[in-house]
Amino acid sequence: NAGVTQTPKFRILKIGQSMTLQCTQDMNHNYMYWYRQDPGMGLKLIYYSVGAGITDKGEVPNGYNVSRSTTEDFPLRLELAAPSQTSVYFCASRGRTGGVSNQPQHFGDGTRLSIL
Amino acid sequence: DAKTTQPPSMDCAEGRAANLPCNHSTISGNEYVYWYRQIHSQGPQYIIHGLKNNETNEMASLIITEDRKSSTLILPHATLRDTAVYYCIVRVSHQGGSEKLVFGKGTKLTVNP
Repeated sequence: NAGVTQTPKFRILKIGQSMTLQCTQDMNHNYMYWYRQDPGMGLKLIYYSVGAGITDKGEVPNGYNVSRSTTEDFPLRLELAAPSQTSVYFCASRGRTGGVSNQPQHFGDGTRLSIL
Repeated sequence: DAKTTQPPSMDCAEGRAANLPCNHSTISGNEYVYWYRQIHSQGPQYIIHGLKNNETNEMASLIITEDRKSSTLILPHATLRDTAVYYCIVRVSHQGGSEKLVFGKGTKLTVNP
């Protein structure tokens, strides 16, 4: 069972470069999320999506963009990398059962990004 | 938004039960309590969740007080591989039918041999 797959696992960027963090899930989940986790801290929500074609901002969206063209994929784009974006990025997905959306989120193993 | 309070760290002997407490005194009636854990350098792993009743699965048990203001995650026979940061989270509803999980700093559980 693949679940949520994130690529790459590690990346070093120079200030001002851009890159896309990939996230794909094979569970046919409607909801997908991007979080970042700074050292010693909890996760903070960057963006989320409730389905293909629909995205919205979370707590810390500045400096990031997302798209959701398919149910499976939810890439995160950094346009002008800054040192403050050095972090571990986690993607998650969640299904929905009937009219009660209490299904848990399932996480990928993360992308460790350093901006130098 | 309901917030949670957890002790920053706990220790447990291998083979013994680990009881991790969580306070969520402002929880709303339709909010669930979720538990996740994060083993170093890995993504958060879902453990269990509940609304009012106690819950049990292959990983753990969740005990929720009758007033729902606190809960306890029980790992019945802790192993060294259970050493991790454990997060107690109240599911926050968001406009548009989505949800977000608000992660605090959690409890660092260390299982000792």
